[in-house]
Amino acid sequence: GNSVTQMEGPVTLSEEAFLTINCTYTATGYPSLFWYVQYPGEGLQLLLKATKADDKGSNKGFEATYRKETTSFHLEKGSVQVSDSAVYFCALSDILTGGGNKLTFGTGTQLKVEL
Amino acid sequence: EPEVTQTPSHQVTQMGQEVILRCVPISNHLYFYWYRQILGQKVEFLVSFYNNEISEKSEIFDDQFSVERPDGSNFTLKIRSTKLEDSAMYFCASTRGVVDYGYTFGSGTRLTVV
Repeated sequence: GNSVTQMEGPVTLSEEAFLTINCTYTATGYPSLFWYVQYPGEGLQLLLKATKADDKGSNKGFEATYRKETTSFHLEKGSVQVSDSAVYFCALSDILTGGGNKLTFGTGTQLKVEL
Repeated sequence: EPEVTQTPSHQVTQMGQEVILRCVPISNHLYFYWYRQILGQKVEFLVSFYNNEISEKSEIFDDQFSVERPDGSNFTLKIRSTKLEDSAMYFCASTRGVVDYGYTFGSGTRLTVV
């Protein structure tokens, strides 16, 4: 079955540091890939997505490129802020034969950004 | 921006009791989902619902679970006889269509079974 593997956290960075959170996946076919973010006490919010190989998703300074050859979708940001402190989830999407699509998530990586 | 609304935000229940978790999906969305996250673990798919019936369910979604869309706006998850291991955060989500990959999640209901 499909699976997503993320680097373990917590990741602690100083403000303005460079961020990379690794994500690799195993899937049949060509899934869409996503990063979701969960701020403390809140739900899951879509951060960015890529629907085919070599697509780059980007939002709020974060970006990730769909790499089919390495089955990866690493999240990067050039300069993190304290407000980026959250849990980040990598996920892939399968279309369901009965309708809709199903997300398979990684375990999540907690990011703490300090002044 | 349209939201998926979940109530309650936190529910405590005794083992063996029935609970109903409630969700109001986005009004023009057609596909509805429940996911759960046991503390410290992955977010897991439970069930998808389309056209008033379950379109897919995971192996977690056994006979103790059921979903319903009792009216045009609510989408509920019922657990008939709760177990300690049902303690988790439950997320409701909706999407507009099959090719719309933009899941909108609610903020979750934390269920604690004691």
